[in-house]
Amino acid sequence: DTEVTQTPKHLVMGMTNKKSLKCEQHMGHRAMYWYKQKAKKPPELMFVYSYEKLSINESVPSRFSPECPNSSLLNLHLHALQPEDSALYLCASSSRDRQFFGPGTRLTVL
Amino acid sequence: GNSVTQMEGPVTLSEEAFLTINCTYTATGYPSLFWYVQYPGEGLQLLLKATKADDKGSNKGFEATYRKETTSFHLEKGSVQVSDSAVYFCALSDAANFGNEKLTFGTGTRLTIIP
Repeated sequence: DTEVTQTPKHLVMGMTNKKSLKCEQHMGHRAMYWYKQKAKKPPELMFVYSYEKLSINESVPSRFSPECPNSSLLNLHLHALQPEDSALYLCASSSRDRQFFGPGTRLTVL
Repeated sequence: GNSVTQMEGPVTLSEEAFLTINCTYTATGYPSLFWYVQYPGEGLQLLLKATKADDKGSNKGFEATYRKETTSFHLEKGSVQVSDSAVYFCALSDAANFGNEKLTFGTGTRLTIIP
């Protein structure tokens, strides 16, 4: 299994909602990542988990809250988002020197 | 810090044309270099990579050579197809930090192939 899966594929939420994005991999990778990608831009790194511990937080606002319940799962909890947070959210995991990306969740904040 | 400068797009070519997308980088140490491709509505897929100087990465007819002397990793394909239409990202990672890599991406080049 060389896949990173993400759910949901699409999400529409209001600014007062709380929602979560989920990511899963079964490749035994011990590093997992969240990226944000705006239209016509490259992905921007948000968080890195290494061995289930948060190792990089790229100064992301606290309305985004990551969680790594185990070595296969990565969540991104969303609360009180702004319309400018609308984007494609990509999850990735890495083996030695290569990252595998999921298909992304297309988030729209109304 | 690390940076990647990528050829501005969009690029439009006819089918069977030769493709070059330029990529140059700035990095400390000995980075690994990558080309990722993103098809419409999808995530990123690794197209090819090279981990040390003079390595050539290749996949699906695409090639790129890690040139340390010119700090470049240009993507080439001899004969493009309509199915190659996508956005291409050049990227580098800090090879000293395996398992916890931070990828630095270029701005992306949108490629459209017309029949």
